[in-house]
Amino acid sequence: DTQMTQSPSSLSASVGDRVTITCRASQSISSYLNWYQQKPGTAPKLLIYAASSLQSGVPSRFSGSRSGTDFTLTISSLQPEDFASYYCQQSYSTPYTFGQGTKLEIK
Amino acid sequence: QITLKESGPTLVKPAQTLTLTCTFSGFSLSTSGVGVGWIRQPPGKALEWLGLIYWDDSKRYSPSLMSRLTITRDTSKNQVVLTMTNMDPVDTATYYCAHFLTGANYLDSWGQGTLVTVSS
Repeated sequence: DTQMTQSPSSLSASVGDRVTITCRASQSISSYLNWYQQKPGTAPKLLIYAASSLQSGVPSRFSGSRSGTDFTLTISSLQPEDFASYYCQQSYSTPYTFGQGTKLEIK
Repeated sequence: QITLKESGPTLVKPAQTLTLTCTFSGFSLSTSGVGVGWIRQPPGKALEWLGLIYWDDSKRYSPSLMSRLTITRDTSKNQVVLTMTNMDPVDTATYYCAHFLTGANYLDSWGQGTLVTVSS
């Protein structure tokens, strides 16, 4: 299985901050990396697919990038509705494993 | 508009078999490139990928659960069924089904999830 190591596990930030979350794959996954946002009590929502493609309807303050087996989700200017948990997922080879998640909290 | 909804028991006893149904609309599981995935999340923990059924009826399972999992489909009813045998308290989780698109391979629409508790 491909292991996805996500960091940090939690993060405190303020509205307007620029935030970066990182995910590292244990082996090459090309650009088969997705990012999901999950708010308490709700299902995950797709934000980014193929490492850097923005899902339809997702605000442009969200962006994704890749450097080898390292992937980054960036929120350029945090909004109140962005405080949630974020998960990466590799979809290069099954099982399509998820990272352990990052909980983004209000400072 | 794609919608999915999970249904099934909220409480199962240890050693019993869990059967969950995902009823969907807005797409056909006969369409090339489409799949339905199952994912679960224990309370307060991370997401775990369980398996996937594709438009051609091929399936992929998590190796750690493969011996206990079966995913089937009924295209006439727009349903996908997850069966998990020999349930244990550690299987207590919210179970989600989601629409999957091959190519970029992502889960773009999710059901609301259903909490299954395993307890005697």
